Amino acid sequence: QQQVKQSPQSLIVQKGGISIINCAYENTAFDYFPWYQQFPGKGPALLIAIRPDVSEKKEGRFTISFNKSAKQFSLHIMDSQPGDSATYFCAASNLPNAGGTSYGKLTFGQGTILTVHP
Amino acid sequence: KAGVTQTPRYLIKTRGQQVTLSCSPISGHRSVSWYQQTPGQGLQFLFEYFSETQRNKGNFPGRFSGRQFSNSRSEMNVSTLVLGDSALYLCASSLVGVPRGETQYFGPGTRLLVL
Repeated sequence: QQQVKQSPQSLIVQKGGISIINCAYENTAFDYFPWYQQFPGKGPALLIAIRPDVSEKKEGRFTISFNKSAKQFSLHIMDSQPGDSATYFCAASNLPNAGGTSYGKLTFGQGTILTVHP
Repeated sequence: KAGVTQTPRYLIKTRGQQVTLSCSPISGHRSVSWYQQTPGQGLQFLFEYFSETQRNKGNFPGRFSGRQFSNSRSEMNVSTLVLGDSALYLCASSLVGVPRGETQYFGPGTRLLVL
């Protein structure tokens, strides 16, 4: 129930195109959904995040769409650039519960390797 | 502010040995989480420390342990290394360890190779 499933595993997009990465979750207690970007040799860095009380959040060229009933969320990268080539991870977490099993914990999807061709 | 730092960046060990990795969080951050990243399993949560106490633990064997010092710096230890422990070990810091309300900042990781 703690899983977050991410697709596709890899994605190739032409410069200027739209990149779309999808994630699905099972745990209905999840209430925070960040996306991380990781470049080779670096740790993941927060890109954008959303909570279930909104269906969409946009920051520059990056948009998260969230469908609570379907338990799915997705990242859209508009006008994709070669500099966007990286691995993208969706993640989820929930508020600390009585058992404390969510402190400091993000549950990650498997990652998507995005390549943007010039 | 300086980011999260991890030392060493690279490490080669042989099976059966033990290893200690270090993480210095961002100044003022009191929560430190550790993750293991492998191509097959992705990013897996190991444990989280806050104010020198382990508050949360992932599904890893007891060979994986950690601790946190009074200055919030953290170490993780892996004993009796096996080949499958080869991975990138990432440390992340945040203010109080509630991801919903705050950002986790990751370090560059320690790349461990077990031969």
